[in-house]
Amino acid sequence: QQQVKQSPQSLIVQKGGISIINCAYENTAFDYFPWYQQFPGKGPALLIAIRPDVSEKKEGRFTISFNKSAKQFSLHIMDSQPGDSATYFCAASRRGSQGNLIFGKGTKLSVKP
Amino acid sequence: KAGVTQTPRYLIKTRGQQVTLSCSPISGHRSVSWYQQTPGQGLQFLFEYFSETQRNKGNFPGRFSGRQFSNSRSEMNVSTLELGDSALYLCASSRAGDGTWETQYFGPGTRLLVL
Repeated sequence: QQQVKQSPQSLIVQKGGISIINCAYENTAFDYFPWYQQFPGKGPALLIAIRPDVSEKKEGRFTISFNKSAKQFSLHIMDSQPGDSATYFCAASRRGSQGNLIFGKGTKLSVKP
Repeated sequence: KAGVTQTPRYLIKTRGQQVTLSCSPISGHRSVSWYQQTPGQGLQFLFEYFSETQRNKGNFPGRFSGRQFSNSRSEMNVSTLELGDSALYLCASSRAGDGTWETQYFGPGTRLLVL
C-alpha cells in the first residue's frame, strides 16, 4: 500500500523550461508535506515544505501547489537549470509521527542545456 | 554547524553476518530517524529515536534494531544479513519539538552491500 504516489518517474526538460512533479496522498491525517532533492552520492536535502492550511508556497524558483480536497500537491521548478538535475522526492508526515516521513518513489529530473 | 555524519560510508558484508551503522546528529538535535533507500522500494522509514527511546517504528523485521545514546548519537544494527538488505541507509536528525513542522536533515548515508 503506497501512501504517497509520485509521478512522473522521470522527466526531461529544456533549460529555462518549467518542471512539474505531482504527488497524491491517501491519509487525511498527513499535515506536513516536504519536498526533498537528492544528488548522486548525497543524502536528500529539504527543498521546500508546505502545510495544508495554505494552497501555495513559493521560494525562489520553486513553488508547491497544494489541493487539499483532491489530496494532491505538486512541485513547480521555474526557469529550470542544468544544476537542478537531480532526483526529487515528495513526502508526507502526520502529527505525532513527525520523525516518520512517508516518501514518494522519486522523480529523476534531467535539465538539458 | 556540522551536518549529520554517518560512519562507515561503505560496507561490504556476507549473508548471515551482522552489521552496525553509526549516526551523529546535528548538535542540539534530539531526534534521529533511520531510512532504507533501494532502487525498487525507494525511501522507507525504519525507526525513530528520541531521548534514547524508540518513538516510531516502520514495517521492518526484528533483525533491524537501533538505539540512541544520551548524547543523541544513534546506531542501527542488522543481524543475519540477507542479500535484500543491500541498500543505502540514511540517518536524519531534527530538533523534534512537539509539532510536526520540523525539518529532517539527512546524512550522506552508509552504502551496504551484502554478498
